[in-house]
Amino acid sequence: QVQLQESGPGLVKPSETLSLTCTVSGGSITNYYWSWIRQPPGKGLEWIGYISYSGYTNYNPSLKSRVTISVDTSKSQFSLKLSSVTAADTAVYYCARVGDSRYWYFDLWGRGTLVTVSS
Amino acid sequence: QSALTQPASVSGSPGQSITISCTGTSSDVGGYNYVSWYQQHPGKAPKLMIYEVSNRPSGVSNRFSGSKSGNTASLTISGLQAEDEADYYCSSYTSSTTLVVFGGGTKLTVL
Repeated sequence: QVQLQESGPGLVKPSETLSLTCTVSGGSITNYYWSWIRQPPGKGLEWIGYISYSGYTNYNPSLKSRVTISVDTSKSQFSLKLSSVTAADTAVYYCARVGDSRYWYFDLWGRGTLVTVSS
Repeated sequence: QSALTQPASVSGSPGQSITISCTGTSSDVGGYNYVSWYQQHPGKAPKLMIYEVSNRPSGVSNRFSGSKSGNTASLTISGLQAEDEADYYCSSYTSSTTLVVFGGGTKLTVL
C-alpha cells in the first residue's frame, strides 16, 4: 500500500532554512495533490500548503512569504523549505496525501518528523 | 486561535455515545460539505475517520459517524471503546485564502 516517509534534519538554527522531503512509496505520486501539515508540541494542526503532481502550489497565507514546496516525480518525492525559522516553527512536520482535491481531506499521512529550532 | 472551534475535552464511559462539535462559519463548515475528521493517538500521525461530512473510509468502524447542521459539524462515536481515547480534529475547506482550516482538537477520555 502507499506509504509516506518524511526525512530531514531534526535540528535547525534560528534564521536558517528548514528543509524536509517526503518520499512516496508503494504507489504513484501522479494524479494526487500532496500537502505539508505541522503540529507544534502539545498544540493543534496547521496546514502549510500543497503541491500538485504537475507542480501547482498553494500556501497558507500566514507562511506564504517563507514557504516553498516542490515536487520531483522521477523520485516520487515532494519537499518543503521554510526560511528564516524561529522557535515558533518548532513542530512535528507531517506530509500527507490529499484524498480528493475537490473536497480537501487528507487520507494518508507520514509518521511525522520533529524539527526543533534552536541554536 | 484555531479557525474552527471544538470543545477542549469530552468524556464517556465504555459503551456510551459521545458527540464532538466543530463550529465554523458560512465560509467553511456552513458553506461546503467538505468537513473531515481525524483521530490522533499520542505520538502518532492523524488518521482520517470521516470525509465529506459523513463518509467513512474503508476500514473505519461504523461506530464513527459525521453530520452537519448550519455552521456546526459533529462527530459521533457510539459504543465507546477504550481504544477510542485519543485527540480528534475537524477540518474544512474554506473559501478564504487559507484554503484548509483545522479545529483546535478535542481530547476524548474513555472513563
